[in-house]
Amino acid sequence: NAGVTQTPKFRILKIGQSMTLQCTQDMNHNYMYWYRQDPGMGLKLIYYSVGAGITDKGEVPNGYNVSRSTTEDFPLRLELAAPSQTSVYFCASSLVGGDYGYTFGSGTRLTVV
Amino acid sequence: DAKTTQPPSMDCAEGRAANLPCNHSTISGNEYVYWYRQIHSQGPQYIIHGLKNNETNEMASLIITEDRKSSTLILPHATLRDTAVYYCIVRVEVTDKLIFGTGTRLQVFP
Repeated sequence: NAGVTQTPKFRILKIGQSMTLQCTQDMNHNYMYWYRQDPGMGLKLIYYSVGAGITDKGEVPNGYNVSRSTTEDFPLRLELAAPSQTSVYFCASSLVGGDYGYTFGSGTRLTVV
Repeated sequence: DAKTTQPPSMDCAEGRAANLPCNHSTISGNEYVYWYRQIHSQGPQYIIHGLKNNETNEMASLIITEDRKSSTLILPHATLRDTAVYYCIVRVEVTDKLIFGTGTRLQVFP
């Protein structure tokens, strides 16, 4: 099993550009999450999904959109990138209830200039 | 949501036990306490979780007070590779979200 795979690992965007951060998992987990981590800070929840077709906002959803058309994939869309979105983005997944812990991807480092 | 309070940093000598405290005084009766760690800029790694009873696995032990208002993560024999930021998190019951705080930066020294 590959676990949680994120692409790309690094990206530089210009202000106003758009991009999609990809996240896929092969563990048949129902729950998936997107977090961002600013330098020296903890992780902030952006969006999450409890199953295909269901998404909901987290703590910091503004400037982002998500979709969940399949169990495996949970892409994060940035529209009109801003310098404040410079961060490291982590995707995670878990079984129903999360009692077995979350599995995190290795992250995408995004810089908006 | 229950909040957690952790010291910002701690030091530990290699080979000694590292005891990382966490306060969660507003925790609800059926909320779990989770511990994760993050080494450098990698994705966080699950360590252990518990509800009421003390828990132990191959990585660590979790001691939860009887009133559940605080807990301690114990790394029994810390190594240099245990240097990381450790997050104590209370799980929001209904939606299963994990809300991260700023954690404790543990530095293990030789």
